[in-house]
Amino acid sequence: SQQGEEDPQALSIQEGENATMNCSYKTSINNLQWYRQNSGRGLVHLILIRSNEREKHSGRLRVTLDTSKKSSSLLITASRAADTASYFCATDANYGQNFVFGPGTRLSVLP
Amino acid sequence: KAGVTQTPRYLIKTRGQQVTLSCSPISGHRSVSWYQQTPGQGLQFLFEYFSETQRNKGNFPGRFSGRQFSNSRSEMNVSTLELGDSALYLCASSFRQGANSPLHFGNGTRLTVT
Repeated sequence: SQQGEEDPQALSIQEGENATMNCSYKTSINNLQWYRQNSGRGLVHLILIRSNEREKHSGRLRVTLDTSKKSSSLLITASRAADTASYFCATDANYGQNFVFGPGTRLSVLP
Repeated sequence: KAGVTQTPRYLIKTRGQQVTLSCSPISGHRSVSWYQQTPGQGLQFLFEYFSETQRNKGNFPGRFSGRQFSNSRSEMNVSTLELGDSALYLCASSFRQGANSPLHFGNGTRLTVT
């Protein structure tokens, strides 16, 4: 069973708008990561947030983590057409032995 | 620094055949993990190698195996291919073992089984 579940499954917005994706997970974690995947290519690491952190920023990206609700959100501000991709959250599982990825959110940014 | 390199980029095989995929990690990274990505199951963890030893294995049949060499390069082998093995196989390297640091992915090998 998957540890993380992203919501929504798909999101379509206009350039310049903000995009918010959510990730919920089931068991306690040490860290949570967000990745981006352009069609047919490998995943690119975006941000890692540890369980004792509540918020992290990286450029136009903002990630929050609420361990009490077992959820995280990824906010992309002022989106661009180049942000069109699938976004995945990954949580550590099996006592920190490997990452488990959610099914992803497909983001389309329309010019 | 060169990224993670996977070869070949595309493969077409017939049911019953076997296949070997190759992955060269980022220089200095000793951990190599393999993932299978399909539209139906998403990203599924196959196994992780660190210092030439398999450290962790996902829920896949024994037809899926791998190894890591002393230079950290890794190979994955799938024997007796089935149609359901058609997928994008992704290799990822990291500096540390386990789920403690970011994964750096290659662009994958697209395997089609006919």
